[in-house]
Amino acid sequence: GNSVTQMEGPVTLSEEAFLTINCTYTATGYPSLFWYVQYPGEGLQLLLKATKADDKGSNKGFEATYRKETTSFHLEKGSVQVSDSAVYFCALGYGNKLVFGAGTILRVKS
Amino acid sequence: GAGVSQSPSNKVTEKGKDVELRCDPISGHTALYWYRQSLGQGLEFLIYFQGNSAPDKSGLPSDRFSAERTGGSVSTLTIQRTQQEDSAVYLCASSTTGGNQPQHFGDGTRLSIL
Repeated sequence: GNSVTQMEGPVTLSEEAFLTINCTYTATGYPSLFWYVQYPGEGLQLLLKATKADDKGSNKGFEATYRKETTSFHLEKGSVQVSDSAVYFCALGYGNKLVFGAGTILRVKS
Repeated sequence: GAGVSQSPSNKVTEKGKDVELRCDPISGHTALYWYRQSLGQGLEFLIYFQGNSAPDKSGLPSDRFSAERTGGSVSTLTIQRTQQEDSAVYLCASSTTGGNQPQHFGDGTRLSIL
């Protein structure tokens, strides 16, 4: 079946540190891949997406590349800010539904 | 423009009561989805609508759960004879056409069963 595994948190970083949140997936066919973010007290927001192998999604300084050979979609940011503190969800889109990972809490300290 | 709107934002009810949760999708979005977010299970898909039809109901956890959509717009998720394990945040999302288009989420309804 389809599933998403992402690194457990919480991840705690100092401001301006480099961020990587690992995400790997298992899927039949050719899913689309997404990162969603949930800021404290807010709803889920789409952060970025990639629809096919080797696509790179980017937004707000975050990037992720769809790697079919390693079935991965790792989220990266070169310099995190306190305002990036949130829960990050990796998801695959297949067959009209999203399958989510468990979420990774990111805490950025000033 | 307006995003996905859900009501109520919070609902507290007694075990055994029925509840209705409402979702108003983004105007023009033909696809509508319900998900559930709970501590033990994470984010789970419940049901997908394309227009007023529900071609995928595979995530509904029991026959106490049902959903409908009217006019290709508003959707209602109904839980009958609520149980404590139904306590969760119920999220609605919509997208332009379904498939793997990005889904836009509402803020959710936090349901607490006493």
